[in-house]
Amino acid sequence: DTGVSQNPRHKITKRGQNVTFRCDPISEHNRLYWYRQTLGQGPEFLTYFQNEAQLEKSRLLSDRFSAERPKGSFSTLEIQRTEQGDSAMYLCASSYRGKLFFGSGTQLSVL
Amino acid sequence: QQQVKQSPQSLIVQKGGISIINCAYENTAFDYFPWYQQFPGKGPALLIAIRPDVSEKKEGRFTISFNKSAKQFSLHIIDSQPGDSATYFCAAPFGGSNYQLIWGAGTKLIIKP
Repeated sequence: DTGVSQNPRHKITKRGQNVTFRCDPISEHNRLYWYRQTLGQGPEFLTYFQNEAQLEKSRLLSDRFSAERPKGSFSTLEIQRTEQGDSAMYLCASSYRGKLFFGSGTQLSVL
Repeated sequence: QQQVKQSPQSLIVQKGGISIINCAYENTAFDYFPWYQQFPGKGPALLIAIRPDVSEKKEGRFTISFNKSAKQFSLHIIDSQPGDSATYFCAAPFGGSNYQLIWGAGTKLIIKP
């Protein structure tokens, strides 16, 4: 068990391009969360899954954002037509037995 | 829009001193109040959490104090060490899961040797 793994660690893209991030949760963790964090702020909830079902989506998650968790294992977060305001750290977390475990995040920079 | 207000924004404490960070919340979906610690380049890590059937929880040098009527909770770190230097976040659940959290803005803690 190596913890929650996120790839890539850093992503630099040009405005208007699509990007996709991957999260591999800790095995046996049935809940998976996506958060976004900007510099100097606390994380903001985006969405969460229980197994493969996406149960909740924040209003922050515009229609340019889509998250999936096929087969209830890894998850992907895609941002289409990126904007400079999308620049942030995207954090994934999984939970089991009362504890939430975060990955190290993907730092997105949109130029 | 639910809010969690955290103070101070930054804190400098001498080694061996007591660090105190405060949080106030509006409403929560569940009675579960965690504190997270985050080092640069890393995701947040759960430090300590309380369910308010008790007013205080202690784990080692870290203590959460909870005041339900005032909707406030605080983190106390005794015998603060340079390794405690990090950003600390309080959070409160607002949705259908304990971990659908709304977070404070963070406190950057620096422990001077």
